[in-house]
Amino acid sequence: GEDVEQSLFLSVREGDSSVINCTYTDSSSTYLYWYKQEPGAGLQLLTYIFSNMDMKQDQRLTVLLNKKDKHLSLRIADTQTGDSAIYFCAESKGAQKLVFGQGTRLTINP
Amino acid sequence: DTGVSQDPRHKITKRGQNVTFRCDPISEHNRLYWYRQTLGQGPEFLTYFQNEAQLEKSRLLSDRFSAERPKGSFSTLEIQRTEQGDSAMYLCASSLQGQVGRGYFGPGTRLTVT
Repeated sequence: GEDVEQSLFLSVREGDSSVINCTYTDSSSTYLYWYKQEPGAGLQLLTYIFSNMDMKQDQRLTVLLNKKDKHLSLRIADTQTGDSAIYFCAESKGAQKLVFGQGTRLTINP
Repeated sequence: DTGVSQDPRHKITKRGQNVTFRCDPISEHNRLYWYRQTLGQGPEFLTYFQNEAQLEKSRLLSDRFSAERPKGSFSTLEIQRTEQGDSAMYLCASSLQGQVGRGYFGPGTRLTVT
């Protein structure tokens, strides 16, 4: 997705917080999303944020949105080994399709 | 309903052959989407249907690709005269209208063209 950029890798220690960052280009996106992809499994929607919000918290997940800078982040508190996966941010283009970033591979170190 | 299913899960084919994939969406979802994901990349939009109508096709969908959703339920994606560059994971998703990001993805069909 040329419109959505993410860093490719993140490595954290078990129990620490993980912060995955994303930048997007389409200021008209209504919703922004975070998906998780584990090996052999489909994409799983983790959370999403409406574009007029700054923050959304859902249990261990916190999404921050800076609309001015077109920057989105996902914070995972108390990262566990089960959080190892590839995380994608995505923006909705109209109501028809999603544009995804390249994905950030999160590795958890014991 | 057990979610979005795709068949087959894996397909190996020789260059030049035709292949067809099937997607069964969640039954009450009127929107169905196809995406392609290559190694190390995020999914890229190919096409979507509202009921049986195909409403948008990406420029990625060359003339060798065709998708159908004949009765507004399951969908098929056919690739004719496959090329090595078609090797990818083909993902299907379904949603209610207006909820493109809150739909569900299937497990994908991994295509390998030799």
